[in-house]
Amino acid sequence: EVQLVQSGAEVKKPGESLRISCKGSGYSFTTYWISWVRQMPGKGLEWMGRIDPSDSFTNYSPSFQGHVTISTDKSISTAYLQWSSLKASDTAMYYCARHGGSSTGGDYWGQGTLVTVSS
Amino acid sequence: DIQMTQSPSSLSASVGDRVTITCRASQSISSYLNWYQQKPGKAPKLLIYAASSLQSGVPSRFSGSGSGTDFTLTISSLQPEDFVSYYCQQSYGTPWTFGQGTKVEIK
Repeated sequence: EVQLVQSGAEVKKPGESLRISCKGSGYSFTTYWISWVRQMPGKGLEWMGRIDPSDSFTNYSPSFQGHVTISTDKSISTAYLQWSSLKASDTAMYYCARHGGSSTGGDYWGQGTLVTVSS
Repeated sequence: DIQMTQSPSSLSASVGDRVTITCRASQSISSYLNWYQQKPGKAPKLLIYAASSLQSGVPSRFSGSGSGTDFTLTISSLQPEDFVSYYCQQSYGTPWTFGQGTKVEIK
């Protein structure tokens, strides 16, 4: 069974760093891209970027470039989303999703990780 | 960036109704258009990929059409579990962008 399991909810202060994870199982992790999607409270979906686990090639949305880092550790089939300095505006639910390519859509999603940034 | 304009932002309908949601791209995206359903508090679920291909396990009352800049998601007969939110997403060029969403409400 294909699964993407994300790490648990986080509560952080502005300026702190954070890394959340997305562990894939039930499939060949390097065969599918992983993308990250933000959903702020009560709002729509925003695509943040994607990574190809086979070679770590990444694309970022300009809206998130420079503020987050997407990475993978293919030895443990895990993708990461990382901040070096959180802002209150980073408070949101974050989802990872698996894509077989540009034409296949995100067919499996993680359950989401809620990040709360508050002083 | 490619802008995706989804309409309507919300609609009211009854069980059994046929509903159509539209998504327009700011430039041609060929058929690189996906549709997702999102229930409250849950992750999105892929319904349609490549504009018109039904994702495995998705009921056949859902269908997609279009190419280039104009796309539609049709639900042929609304069921009680369909009164949730829907999003389109283009995957033609990065950044992949979503429409702003459509909330389907019970009339």
